Amino acid sequence: AQSVTQLDSQVPVFEEAPVELRCNYSSSVSVYLFWYVQYPNQGLQLLLKYLSGSTLVESINGFEAEFNKSQTSFHLRKPSVHISDTAEYFCAVSDRGSARQLTFGSGTQLTVLP
Amino acid sequence: EAGVAQSPRYKIIEKRQSVAFWCNPISGHATLYWYQQILGQGPKLLIQFQNNGVVDDSQLPKDRFSAERLKGVDSTLKIQPAKLEDSAVYLCASRHSDSTDTQYFGPGTRLTVL
Repeated sequence: AQSVTQLDSQVPVFEEAPVELRCNYSSSVSVYLFWYVQYPNQGLQLLLKYLSGSTLVESINGFEAEFNKSQTSFHLRKPSVHISDTAEYFCAVSDRGSARQLTFGSGTQLTVLP
Repeated sequence: EAGVAQSPRYKIIEKRQSVAFWCNPISGHATLYWYQQILGQGPKLLIQFQNNGVVDDSQLPKDRFSAERLKGVDSTLKIQPAKLEDSAVYLCASRHSDSTDTQYFGPGTRLTVL
C-alpha cells in the first residue's frame, strides 16, 4: 500500500516569488511519482512525472520536481510564479505493475497574489 | 484528440434517490478508472476496468454503488440510494494500455446530496 502526504494545504505567495510545494510518500515497493494540477471547475491535468532516470524532472511551464529516494520526497518548485499558476496541486504515486492505480495526497492550494 | 468526457457536470439530488454518471474515455484507451473526490481531499479510487472487465473494485461501497463498462468503451457509475456523505466530485480517468503510465482525467461530475 502507498500513502502520500502533502505538508501544506494552502500556500499564498506573491507574483514573481519562488515557491515550493512539499510532498512525501510512503511505499513498500518502487513507485512512479506524479504532480497533477486542477484549475477551478476543471479536471486534473498532468504537470510532470518521474518514472526513472534523472531525478530532476521539468514541466513545460517552468515547474520542476526532484525525486529524493532517501527522503521519500518529490517536492515541486518554481523559481518565479505567475497569477495564472493559482490552482490546486496534487502529488500522487502509482505502482509499477499493470494496474498503475494512483494514490493522491490531499492537495495544496497555491494562491498567487498580485 | 478528444479528452475524457463526463456527464452531467452537476447533479443535485435528495438523499435516498438514485443517480447515474456517464464517462466516455479517450478513444483506444483500454483502462478506465472512477475516483471520488470529497471536498478538501485528494481523489480516491473507486473502481478500475480493463476493457469490459473489473480489475479492482475493492474500494467501491457495493451496497449502494455499482459500475459497468459493458462494451469496453463508455462506463456508467450508479449510486442507489444516495447518502449525504456521497456529496463529492466523481472523476473518470483513462489510460491507453499496460505499457503506459499517464492517466487522463475528465472534468468530473459534482454531486450534491441534500
